[in-house]
Amino acid sequence: DIQMTQSPSSLSASVGDRVTITCRASQSISSYLNWYQQKPGKAPKLLIYAASSLQSGVPSRFSGSGSGTDFTLTISSLQPEDFATYYCQQSYSTPIFTFGPGTKVDIK
Amino acid sequence: QLQLQESGPGLVKPSETLSLTCTVSGGSISSSSYYWGWIRQPPGKGLEWIGSIYYSGSTYYNPSLKSRVTISVDTSKNQFSLKLSSVTAADTAVYYCARVSGLEAAFDIWGQGTMVTVSS
Repeated sequence: DIQMTQSPSSLSASVGDRVTITCRASQSISSYLNWYQQKPGKAPKLLIYAASSLQSGVPSRFSGSGSGTDFTLTISSLQPEDFATYYCQQSYSTPIFTFGPGTKVDIK
Repeated sequence: QLQLQESGPGLVKPSETLSLTCTVSGGSISSSSYYWGWIRQPPGKGLEWIGSIYYSGSTYYNPSLKSRVTISVDTSKNQFSLKLSSVTAADTAVYYCARVSGLEAAFDIWGQGTMVTVSS
């Protein structure tokens, strides 16, 4: 089974900050990595697919990079609406999937 | 546009079977381009993939839940369903249905989620 880890588990940041979240897979998953944003009481929302492709309608301040085992989600300038929990998800072993444990971004 | 809506009991007794249905509207569940999946989230915790189904009926389950999970599809009703047997308090969670899209297999459209509590 492919295991996913994320770091940090939480972070505090200010509006305008550049934020970076890391996701690591237990084995190479090529670029089969997706990122989601979840706000309290809401369903997750797809932000990035295939490691670096921006989902339609998602602001360009969100970007993804990486391949193999190490991946990064970057928010170039944090906005008030970006305070949320972010999850990575591997799809290399489709149709078997695994989510990372999540990274909570809150206000400093 | 495509929408997904979960439905089912919000309270299930321990040892009984949890049953949920996801109704797909605004599009066909029979498209060969997509899988359909169930994901759950215990209160205050992260996301756990439960299983997925293709319109043809092929199913794939999380190994940790496989012995208790059954997912089925009813293309005539544009619905797919989840059954989780022998539930315990650990199965208390928000249950989401979602569409799995494309070669990248991302969950691109989600239902709003339904809270299921396991309690006597």
